[in-house]
Amino acid sequence: ETGVTQSPTHLIKTRGQQVTLRCSSQSGHNTVSWYQQALGQGPQFIFQYYREEENGRGNFPPRFSGLQFPNYSSELNVNALELDDSALYLCASSFVQGADYGYTFGSGTRLTVV
Amino acid sequence: DAKTTQPPSMDCAEGRAANLPCNHSTISGNEYVYWYRQIHSQGPQYIIHGLKNNETNEMASLIITEDRKSSTLILPHATLRDTAVYYCIVRVEGSSNTGKLIFGQGTTLQVKP
Repeated sequence: ETGVTQSPTHLIKTRGQQVTLRCSSQSGHNTVSWYQQALGQGPQFIFQYYREEENGRGNFPPRFSGLQFPNYSSELNVNALELDDSALYLCASSFVQGADYGYTFGSGTRLTVV
Repeated sequence: DAKTTQPPSMDCAEGRAANLPCNHSTISGNEYVYWYRQIHSQGPQYIIHGLKNNETNEMASLIITEDRKSSTLILPHATLRDTAVYYCIVRVEGSSNTGKLIFGQGTTLQVKP
């Protein structure tokens, strides 16, 4: 098992800019999901990809988008950054087959928007 | 749309069992309960999960009430390294393969010497 790795670990962007965060899923996992965690809060679901298709989305605007690649790596893109987008962004991968499965989280990317 | 309620903080003496409660009274029949913990804003670490039956692994035990409206995470012998924020989570099902984790606010467990 290689675990879930995210890059970069920290990032500072200016309001209005665009950002791409990357995630490398655990080997053999077919599903990746992204979460946003504001300071002092629990993580909130952004969206999920299964076999390269988005198949679930939380209450986030369209300027949050993503991709999943054939090697199960993934990207989270955020356009027109706002100050409130400052948060820890977490990627989680899982092997979905049936209903009983777990999630492996990465260490996250800390995004600061100034 | 939080589905879990946890006490904001708890203390536990080192070497004693830590019992962390969670209410999930609106849980549906096919929704799993997960427990993760998070230390210093690192990524959440998996502890245990279950649907109806009690579960045990090398880290902890999960006790789910018969009506599934609440559960308790038990760390049998807490150590200082168990100090963390513990999240009780419900996985909500959407369309095919769209389970999403709904986190609550978590319980900050402080293990004291």
